[in-house]
Amino acid sequence: GNSVTQMEGPVTLSEEAFLTINCTYTATGYPSLFWYVQYPGEGLQLLLKATKADDKGSNKGFEATYRKETTSFHLEKGSVQVSDSAVYFCALSWGTNAGKSTFGDGTTLTVKP
Amino acid sequence: NAGVTQTPKFRILKIGQSMTLQCTQDMNHNYMYWYRQDPGMGLKLIYYSVGAGITDKGEVPNGYNVSRSTTEDFPLRLELAAPSQTSVYFCASSQRSGGVNIQYFGAGTRLSVL
Repeated sequence: GNSVTQMEGPVTLSEEAFLTINCTYTATGYPSLFWYVQYPGEGLQLLLKATKADDKGSNKGFEATYRKETTSFHLEKGSVQVSDSAVYFCALSWGTNAGKSTFGDGTTLTVKP
Repeated sequence: NAGVTQTPKFRILKIGQSMTLQCTQDMNHNYMYWYRQDPGMGLKLIYYSVGAGITDKGEVPNGYNVSRSTTEDFPLRLELAAPSQTSVYFCASSQRSGGVNIQYFGAGTRLSVL
C-alpha cells in the first residue's frame, strides 16, 4: 500500500537556522507529492507541490525536490523565522482515485527568537 | 472567498448523544472528504465523495455516516458518540486540475465526548 514517513518531531530551532524535515514515501507508480502546513488552530493549507521526478516545488522560501531514486521529498528552508512555527505534513496523491491523499504524521516545528 | 466552512468549531458531547458536523464549500469542487486528526497523528480518512449523491468509505468509517445531496454540502453524522471519537475533524474539498488534486481544508471542528 501507499505510505508516507516523516522524520519524528518535535523540531526546535533558533531563528535564522537551516531547516530540513525528511519525508520518504512508498507508492506504486509516480504520485504527486505535497507539503501542507498547519498553523495553530487552523486547517491544513498547501505549502508546495511537485508532480514528477526531479521537479522542485517552492514557496515562501521553502523548497522540496521530488527524488524518485530515493523516494524522498525533503522540505528545506535556509533561514527560518518565528512565524514558520507550525506542523508540517508530507503527502502524496494521484490525479485519479478521487484525489485521495495519504498523509504523514506531521512534524511540529518551533522556532525561537 | 469563503473556501471550506465547518461548523461548529467546538462541541462537547455526552456518550451516546448524536450530532452532525456541517461542511460547505463554495469552490464548486466535485470531491469532498472528512478526516479525523488525533493528537500527534496524521489525518485519517473517514468518508469521501466524488460528487452529489455518491459517497464511499475511507479508512475509519465506523460510527459515522455522510450524505452528499448537493455539490456544496457534505455533512458528517455521529450516532451514539463514544469517547474514541474525541478528535479534531477536518473537511476538505478538491478538484482535479492539470492532473493534480490539491486539497483545501476547513478550520476544523474540535469534538470531545465525555
